[in-house]
Amino acid sequence: DAGITQSPRHKVTETGTPVTLRCHQTENHRYMYWYRQDPGHGLRLIHYSYGVKDTDKGEVSDGYSVSRSKTEDFLLTLESATSSQTSVYFCAISEESSEAFFGQGTRLTVV
Amino acid sequence: AQTVTQSQPEMSVQEAETVTLSCTYDTSESDYYLFWYKQPPSRQMILVIRQEAYKQQNATENRFSVNFQKAAKSFSLKISDSQLGDAAMYFCALRAGTYKYIFGTGTRLKVLA
Repeated sequence: DAGITQSPRHKVTETGTPVTLRCHQTENHRYMYWYRQDPGHGLRLIHYSYGVKDTDKGEVSDGYSVSRSKTEDFLLTLESATSSQTSVYFCAISEESSEAFFGQGTRLTVV
Repeated sequence: AQTVTQSQPEMSVQEAETVTLSCTYDTSESDYYLFWYKQPPSRQMILVIRQEAYKQQNATENRFSVNFQKAAKSFSLKISDSQLGDAAMYFCALRAGTYKYIFGTGTRLKVLA
């Protein structure tokens, strides 16, 4: 299995509070991604990274920011959590010609 | 824009029978990859099969095979000899141009004993 660890695995937070989810990889893969999974929507890309300090927006980036200061870590931050951000969040990694490998997911509930 | 469409929200199959899950996609790129992922109740995303667009031969992995129709932009997954452990959400995904993966909305497969 690809070495991808997401933390935390579960989190409940209050509306308006900042939240940071962490993705850590041990595979030295260049590309890293954050997706959210919601019923009826499949997986939607929030942000992705194509190298250290190189990131770009996905289709549902509003309300989210990311940072990648090291190859192995990709952080997703919700600056001020809202109930619409209640979801399951997946981190994924990939190389040039490979499939995406996924972490275990983080279930985030905003109350 | 690149899109992936899975038009079957839910499918059922009898154990030991064969089922086909549909996926259509759209891209203007000539070089791309297609994937099927399985997501069991554990939530883990598991790669089932991959297909490179430049390969004419359909990919096969044991009981799983695809019907890749490039001109029609269709990429269906066939599961033969269905087993109870095949019950899961199945996602079709496309990677083209940039290194983003675009996913369909998924098909929930139920396997009946």
